[in-house]
Amino acid sequence: DAGVIQSPRHEVTEMGQEVTLRCKPISGHNSLFWYRQTMMRGLELLIYFNNNVPIDDSGMPEDRFSAKMPNASFSTLKIQPSEPRDSAVYFCASSLTPGSNYGYTFGSGTRLTVV
Amino acid sequence: GQQVMQIPQYQHVQEGEDFTTYCNSSTTLSNIQWYKQRPGGHPVFLIQLVKSGEVKKQKRLTFQFGEAKKNSSLHITATQTTDVGTYFCASDNYGQNFVFGPGTRLSVLP
Repeated sequence: DAGVIQSPRHEVTEMGQEVTLRCKPISGHNSLFWYRQTMMRGLELLIYFNNNVPIDDSGMPEDRFSAKMPNASFSTLKIQPSEPRDSAVYFCASSLTPGSNYGYTFGSGTRLTVV
Repeated sequence: GQQVMQIPQYQHVQEGEDFTTYCNSSTTLSNIQWYKQRPGGHPVFLIQLVKSGEVKKQKRLTFQFGEAKKNSSLHITATQTTDVGTYFCASDNYGQNFVFGPGTRLSVLP
């Protein structure tokens, strides 16, 4: 298995531009998570999908952030318009089920820099 | 919401010394998961504990879940340079709240 695949690995964009981050979870995993990691705030859960349905989006910072999961093998996180404070590493993770004994499998992350 | 805290924030040890990080919550946890993140890498799942007082071992790593299910520890015996990284505890509270602790950053001096 190739694991959780995220793209792009790095993204540098100008303030005000739209940014789309992509994630392919592990086949057969029913839960998908988007996390943001910064030095100041650590790992923050942004949104969680179960069977492609958003379950908890209370961590999404504001209306500029949106996430979709149109099918079991693909999810996107969009920021529009982007701001410098959005600069962070964004991780996608998937798991068989919540509380799975196998934990969450993280992708390699997308390092976003907004200038 | 539920939070988990970790201490210490940083730990510097000489290679061969032992290391312990502690995870604490004010509320009872359904489970504890431990992850390791190497510098520049992504969190990697190490183990999950679910039972009160549970102890699990992976080679030089020993994981414990407290009797009250409010705290946990990760102990590394005889650290090696390959142990460098940040260790996170996390809990998903029966699938309701997915929280990670702030992590303990371990440095190992050769």
